[in-house]
Amino acid sequence: KAGVTQTPRYLIKTRGQQVTLSCSPISGHRSVSWYQQTPGQGLQFLFEYFSETQRNKGNFPGRFSGRQFSNSRSEMNVSTLELGDSALYLCASSIKREGNEQFFGPGTRLTVL
Amino acid sequence: AQSVTQPDIHITVSEGASLELRCNYSYGATPYLFWYVQSPGQGLQLLLKYFSGDTLVQGIKGFEAEFKRSQSSFNLRKPSVHWSDAAEYFCAVGDDNYGQNFVFGPGTRLSVLP
Repeated sequence: KAGVTQTPRYLIKTRGQQVTLSCSPISGHRSVSWYQQTPGQGLQFLFEYFSETQRNKGNFPGRFSGRQFSNSRSEMNVSTLELGDSALYLCASSIKREGNEQFFGPGTRLTVL
Repeated sequence: AQSVTQPDIHITVSEGASLELRCNYSYGATPYLFWYVQSPGQGLQLLLKYFSGDTLVQGIKGFEAEFKRSQSSFNLRKPSVHWSDAAEYFCAVGDDNYGQNFVFGPGTRLSVLP
């Protein structure tokens, strides 16, 4: 069974631009979560989607948004990029929601210049 | 709110030596506990998990962890470290109320000396 895939793997953007990251979960997994990883803040939860609905949201500004499609694939969007948005963005999928183990993708490395 | 601490930012051990990575959590009920490993530039790989039952859990790559409710700890151990174990290790906690909002510890970087 294929693992979680994320595209693109690397992105370079400039301040003020917007970016869309994509995540394809493991087949049959309906929950997709997104995390931001930075050296200073570590791993921080962004949001979780289950059956196309955002179920949980972390403490991030409204510039960070996401969605999930009927095939469970998910996208996250960051608008008006700031230098501090440079990070590794990780997507994780799981079969169900509550407390279930999550399987992580390799991440998308976003650099904002 | 849940929280996870990993007191050791960086640990160096010699190949073949034993290893223990510490993890303490703060949570009112019995949480779901996980250990993940991350190699440079990679995503996170699950080593092991604790949901309930036997407090000593076995994971992949020869790792094990013990849940101690009285100490709010979930320490990771390995009897003999291999050079390929050099990586960053994260402890995480989740529960039913938070869905898939895992809270991760800050991580412990493991270096292995030949």
